[in-house]
Amino acid sequence: QKEVEQDPGPLSVPEGAIVSLNCTYSNSAFQYFMWYRQYSRKGPELLMYTYSSGNKEDGRFTAQVDKSSKYISLFIRDSQPSDSATYLCAMLSNDYKLSFGAGTTVTVRA
Amino acid sequence: NAGVTQTPKFQVLKTGQSMTLQCAQDMNHEYMSWYRQDPGMGLRLIHYSVGAGITDQGEVPNGYNVSRSTTEDFPLRLLSAAPSQTSVYFCASSYAGTGGAFFGQGTRLTVV
Repeated sequence: QKEVEQDPGPLSVPEGAIVSLNCTYSNSAFQYFMWYRQYSRKGPELLMYTYSSGNKEDGRFTAQVDKSSKYISLFIRDSQPSDSATYLCAMLSNDYKLSFGAGTTVTVRA
Repeated sequence: NAGVTQTPKFQVLKTGQSMTLQCAQDMNHEYMSWYRQDPGMGLRLIHYSVGAGITDQGEVPNGYNVSRSTTEDFPLRLLSAAPSQTSVYFCASSYAGTGGAFFGQGTRLTVV
């Protein structure tokens, strides 16, 4: 079993819809939780970063962490065609290793 | 700031050839790492370094070698290229102990 499992997708939603992305993990040593966005043929870029259970908001993006259930989510409100990308969850353990989910490809239709 | 710079952007190798993928960062980050990205498998950690002179293996280290003689540079060496090493390679850097990594633009490697 992989340490980080991500809903595989792909997801296709109409413009303005809410996008919901999810990951589960099995390693209790994970301390930091991140979401990266990757456009086609580009490197991943950091979108959201959190280290505690609860919600963190940044504009149209909300990251949610539930450490008791080992579950993280990313919500994108009022989705735009420019949000079309692959979204990767990532988690950092106390030995400095980043573990990534396999990614979910999102298409927002105009 | 250039951030994380990877060279080359594209490379085709023949089986058995060796080469070095270059990675440089100008943010004075202690932590640098190499990943490979394959379809459906996400990013897998090859090797990482928490500072100059210190390196360690990640999830898929076989066939790759690294060294870290300076804070800025972290080259990845393919010792004897195999078709299974066809992939997109990403270098990343961050402050040690945090997960907010900055990635380069990637090197697309094909081994024939």
